[in-house]
Amino acid sequence: DAGITQSPRHKVTETGTPVTLRCHQTENHRYMYWYRQDPGHGLRLIHYSYGVKDTDKGEVSDGYSVSRSKTEDFLLTLESATSSQTSVYFCAISEGVQDTGGYTFGSGTRLTVV
Amino acid sequence: AQSVTQLGSHVSVSEGALVLLRCNYSSSVPPYLFWYVQYPNQGLQLLLKYTTGATLVKGINGFEAEFKKSETSFHLTKPSAHMSDAAEYFCAVSGVNTGFQKLVFGTGTRLLVSP
Repeated sequence: DAGITQSPRHKVTETGTPVTLRCHQTENHRYMYWYRQDPGHGLRLIHYSYGVKDTDKGEVSDGYSVSRSKTEDFLLTLESATSSQTSVYFCAISEGVQDTGGYTFGSGTRLTVV
Repeated sequence: AQSVTQLGSHVSVSEGALVLLRCNYSSSVPPYLFWYVQYPNQGLQLLLKYTTGATLVKGINGFEAEFKKSETSFHLTKPSAHMSDAAEYFCAVSGVNTGFQKLVFGTGTRLLVSP
């Protein structure tokens, strides 16, 4: 979607290696989120950020860390990738759900851990 | 904590038929409710939302949904399906105990439209 980009779009990595996914926004929105999408589970929140250096865990945060050193960038790191982290990862942004009524999503990163 | 249940992982309709996708939520206070659509290999796109006010909300592409507090439901409907409606649809909820800033998604319903 315009204003939010994820990189890379596809990645294959080996078990045990660290991986970093990037989410970049040009909307100057306060809130940023990382979700993973898996069949039968819908989207599950990994971590989110409510400002620079302000982050919090979601429901499936084990094995993941995040950083937000600038408003526009939100990085998701898999410390040591496992096959269970094979998934499609979506970044989302929001200026405030109460005000704008929802998120804007990126196009996703398909990660395969072999 | 809020949660949503989407009944039916797959729904099949014929082109021109009524579309009904079901969503029930659990929340101790009136939540905010959303429907998103996902086309293949794309991110999610907001269809419509209920926050406050009118309980019947209209969205893009002819979809609408009605918030029914007594039934804790927010079902998505469209009077006449089009082939281009084939996609996956997600219901989502946010509530006061998360400051309304975190959405909890259902598991999704894939809509199949046949000619």
